[in-house]
Amino acid sequence: DTGVSQDPRHKITKRGQNVTFRCDPISEHNRLYWYRQTLGQGPEFLTYFQNEAQLEKSRLLSDRFSAERPKGSFSTLEIQRTEQGDSAMYLCASSFPDRITNTEAFFGQGTRLTVV
Amino acid sequence: GQQLNQSPQSMFIQEGEDVSMNCTSSSIFNTWLWYKQDPGEGPVLLIALYKAGELTSNGRLTAQFGITRKDSFLNISASIPSDVGIYFCAGQLGRAQKLVFGQGTRLTINP
Repeated sequence: DTGVSQDPRHKITKRGQNVTFRCDPISEHNRLYWYRQTLGQGPEFLTYFQNEAQLEKSRLLSDRFSAERPKGSFSTLEIQRTEQGDSAMYLCASSFPDRITNTEAFFGQGTRLTVV
Repeated sequence: GQQLNQSPQSMFIQEGEDVSMNCTSSSIFNTWLWYKQDPGEGPVLLIALYKAGELTSNGRLTAQFGITRKDSFLNISASIPSDVGIYFCAGQLGRAQKLVFGQGTRLTINP
């Protein structure tokens, strides 16, 4: 399977704990995005990488959140000191916008985080 | 910030019926995308639209990019049970090409 892969699929954690999610994009896709989706809403942009460089961060990404893509391949999203409001589906997407067309992003299956 | 208004929010139809949903925006987008999401899964890309006025089909799905670049519609013909799910429109924006999503249309099909 050459799609976007996310791990874990589900995570339950106690408030105040740190959690880390992993995303493996489609190989050769140089762009990687993180989105957050709460119940009944569409996904909201958090941050994106072009290769290993993090080029934009949303105001949704508080200082408790950090994302990395050290070698321009997989990415991790860490949430420190989790709060109940962090409970959501965290989605990763990748794309390879080499021209005006074919810029579409492909999503992984997501990581469902529940903070209790 | 940018927002997409997607309607209707939900639809209840009979199997075999045609479906139409649309998205409007106050902002211009370079690309419109339509995704389908099943419970507990990530969005799956259905159709991508790149040019104003473009009409694109993918099987029983047809979508159009509005001429003003501020709207798009998705039609599904002859609905079948596996069409059940939540459909999202998304506009692609700026150098980052990040996506702005609508609120979704939940489709329910009665057999």
